[in-house]
Amino acid sequence: DIVMTQSPDSLAVALGERATINCKSSQSVLYNSDNRNYLAWYQQKVGQTPKLIMYWASTRESGVPDRFSGSGSGTEFTLTISSLQPEDVATYYCQQYYTSATFGQGTTVEIK
Amino acid sequence: VQLRQSGPGLVKPSGTLSLTCAVSDGSVISNNLWTWVRQAPGKGLEWIGEIHHNKSASYNPSLRRRVTISMDKSNNRFSVTLTSVTAADTAVYYCGRGRALRDWGQGTLVTVSS
Repeated sequence: DIVMTQSPDSLAVALGERATINCKSSQSVLYNSDNRNYLAWYQQKVGQTPKLIMYWASTRESGVPDRFSGSGSGTEFTLTISSLQPEDVATYYCQQYYTSATFGQGTTVEIK
Repeated sequence: VQLRQSGPGLVKPSGTLSLTCAVSDGSVISNNLWTWVRQAPGKGLEWIGEIHHNKSASYNPSLRRRVTISMDKSNNRFSVTLTSVTAADTAVYYCGRGRALRDWGQGTLVTVSS
C-alpha cells in the first residue's frame, strides 16, 4: 500500500497570508508512461461532503479559485493557498490514485 | 452526474451493512470507476474500494475479507456490502465517481450498535 503523510496536522494562518500544506507518499505516484502525478487534493468544510479541488497534482478543478495551487512530483507535494480567505477554513486531504487509492490524514486550516 | 445513496443508518454488531448508490445523469456502464469511501466520526477519509463495469472490483486490503462492491447495470446503481461489522465500522459512508472523486453522494451515517 502507498502511505500518504501530510504535514502539519493543523495550521493557523492570518487572513490574506499564505497557507502551505505538505503531502508525502511512501512511493512515487508519477506514472512514467503519461508523465502524470496521480495525486489529488480535497477540501472538506465542517459538516460537508469533501470537494475535489486539485488533480494530477497541479490541475485546479473547475470553479476553484486561483489562489489555490498544487505543486510537486514523485513523492512530495504541496497545496498552497496564496491569500487565505474566511471560506477556506476547512480540512484538506491529499489522495494518491496511482495504485487503488489512499488518503492522507488531513490538515486542518483555521484563521489566526 | 448525480449520486443518491440509500440504506439503513443502524446495523447491529456482527451484522451486515449494505448501501446502494443510484446514478442519474450518467451511466454506470460508462468508462468510470465507481467508488466507496468512509469517514469515522472525527476522523479522516478511508478508501473502501471501487468497481468498473468491465473489470473486477478492487478493495482496501484492510477490508478485503469483509467487503463486496457490486453493480446493478439494469438499475444504474452500485452497492457496497460489509459483513461482520463492529463499532469500528461506524462512519459516514460516501459513494463517488472516479478514483479522484469528482462527484460524491450525500453521505450516509451508519451506526453499528445493538
